[in-house]
Amino acid sequence: ETGVTQTPRHLVMGMTNKKSLKCEQHLGHNAMYWYKQSAKKPLELMFVYNFKEQTENNSVPSRFSPECPNSSHLFLHLHTLQPEDSALYLCASSQTSGSGSDTQYFGPGTRLTVL
Amino acid sequence: SQKIEQNSEALNIQEGKTATLTCNYTNYSPAYLQWYRQDPGRGPVFLLLIRENEKEKRKERLKVTFDTTLKQSLFHITASQPADSATYLCALDLMFSGGYNKLIFGAGTRLAVHP
Repeated sequence: ETGVTQTPRHLVMGMTNKKSLKCEQHLGHNAMYWYKQSAKKPLELMFVYNFKEQTENNSVPSRFSPECPNSSHLFLHLHTLQPEDSALYLCASSQTSGSGSDTQYFGPGTRLTVL
Repeated sequence: SQKIEQNSEALNIQEGKTATLTCNYTNYSPAYLQWYRQDPGRGPVFLLLIRENEKEKRKERLKVTFDTTLKQSLFHITASQPADSATYLCALDLMFSGGYNKLIFGAGTRLAVHP
């Protein structure tokens, strides 16, 4: 276990549904990340939160809405998704020092299928 | 344009041999480079980090080199075992003024070690 949990592990939703992905880290880190991983493509960074403040939105469509209520929890709210949004969604956390490299710890991911 | 390239095809090797994976990049100047391992249906797991002023880094059977002139990193697994079979991701580590490090991932190389 990496200390980062994600729920649900699998999700199937229709294009008109609203659902949320949850991520929790038990490592005391201050930064949390959402990534999208599609088949045979690199991980795409979606959002970054540092000390609960969103510091990066990588041109993600508004049908993805992140929420970070505290440094340990991160949500990704989903609504009116498209079939091409089907992918593995990974959450990660790190302890940012601002003066060196930060190793990221990943959760197991949520496998999302949009019908 | 900025690119990160890893051997796109799967690498098949015999148990006991040394596996060598390549990561090439263009138009980036990373301060660090990280390597992760990802098993099917799981999140990436950190393996090694190397700094731009380091030529080589070792950890048990793993060795990473980093040539900032060639813009290339090589990842070696010596005395490979079937349990080493996985996808290996390289990630360029870009320090940001926002107080966190941004990782740019390659698409990964799938390694299969055969008994």
